Amino acid sequence: DSGVTQTPKHLITATGQRVTLRCSPRSGDLSVYWYQQSLDQGLQFLIHYYNGEERAKGNILERFSAQQFPDLHSELNLSSLELGDSALYFCASSVDSSETQYFGPGTRLLVL
Amino acid sequence: GENVEQHPSTLSVQEGDSAVIKCTYSDSASNYFPWYKQELGKGPQLIIDIRSNVGEKKDQRIAVTLNKTAKHFSLHITETQPEDSAVYFCAASQGGFQKLVFGTGTRLLVSP
Repeated sequence: DSGVTQTPKHLITATGQRVTLRCSPRSGDLSVYWYQQSLDQGLQFLIHYYNGEERAKGNILERFSAQQFPDLHSELNLSSLELGDSALYFCASSVDSSETQYFGPGTRLLVL
Repeated sequence: GENVEQHPSTLSVQEGDSAVIKCTYSDSASNYFPWYKQELGKGPQLIIDIRSNVGEKKDQRIAVTLNKTAKHFSLHITETQPEDSAVYFCAASQGGFQKLVFGTGTRLLVSP
């Protein structure tokens, strides 16, 4: 158990809908990273937050957004969902600028 | 940007044999190289990492070697056990708040 928690574990929704994925980092970790894992794209970095502020963006679609709250938990919002958004979504956390990232168990999203 | 290649994509060994997985990276600025193990239905678990100021690091049956000149690094697992069966990912980062760029993964199967 990495100490990173993610909810929900599974999510099934329809095209065009909006969902919110939640992540709680390890105690004391200020950084939260979001990754998408799909069969064709592998593990891809989406976005990074540090202590409530966005620090870096990767291959994140404009339909996707995220935020980190004062209690350091983070939410990833996916809107206007398409079939191709079906994937595993992981968050990872780290202590400030440490490179060591610890991953949560992921949320499996299925868009029908 | 950084690109990480990983080989082989699948690896089958007998219990007790050694397994070696190799990765190459493209960006000479990368200086942090973690390895993750992902079991079915779980998030990636950090098993070992190495920084560019070190050529080799060992933790019990697992070792990682780094050749900065050739820009490649390898994971070595000795005395493999069936519970080592999983997908292994290498990654590279420029450190600090930089994202992890992952390889495509190696599915390791250890047969009793």
